[in-house]
Amino acid sequence: EIVLTQSPEFQSVTPKEKVTITCRASQSIGSSLHWYQQKPDQSPKLLIKYASQSFSGVPSRFSGSGSGTDFTLTINSLEPEDAATYYCHQSSSFPLTFGGGTKVEIK
Amino acid sequence: EVQLLESGGGLVQPGGSLRLSCAASGFTFSSCAMSWVRQAPGKGLEWVSAIRGDGGSTYYADSVKGRFTISRDNSKNTLYLQMNSLRAEDTAVYYCAKEYKWLSDAFDIWGQGTMVTVSS
Repeated sequence: EIVLTQSPEFQSVTPKEKVTITCRASQSIGSSLHWYQQKPDQSPKLLIKYASQSFSGVPSRFSGSGSGTDFTLTINSLEPEDAATYYCHQSSSFPLTFGGGTKVEIK
Repeated sequence: EVQLLESGGGLVQPGGSLRLSCAASGFTFSSCAMSWVRQAPGKGLEWVSAIRGDGGSTYYADSVKGRFTISRDNSKNTLYLQMNSLRAEDTAVYYCAKEYKWLSDAFDIWGQGTMVTVSS
């Protein structure tokens, strides 16, 4: 099973600040890494697919990078509505796995 | 509008059974692989099971293998999860999710979730 380790687990950020979340895979997964945003009491929403491809309708301040084992989600100029938990997910092999999540709080 | 609507959750005793349904609309259901993903209260996301568009291939997490069965009825645009021998640790919100283009892909559409509580 491929283990995804996200860091940090929690981040408190001021609006307009830049946020960087990392996801490390226990073995190489190419670019089969996706990012989701989940707000309280809501379903997750796809932000980035295949490491760096923005999903339709996602604001341009969200971007992704990386390949192999190390990946990054960047939120440029954080907005108050970006308060949420962010998860990475690998689809390289079964069982599919998720990272533990990163909770982003707005100061 | 593309939509997934889960139903069938509820309270069940340990060792009991439950069948979840996920009604799909707004896309060609039979062409799309689907998954179930769950989230225990206050915890992260856990993939449970996946099925190919034609139902020909299925996959399970080790934690549910032998107890849960994923299936689909493409004539009814509906995905199912039959859950047997339920345990307290199966308590979670269960989401159905559409795979973006093929089996083992990003999940581009999620349902609102249905809560399953396993307790005596």
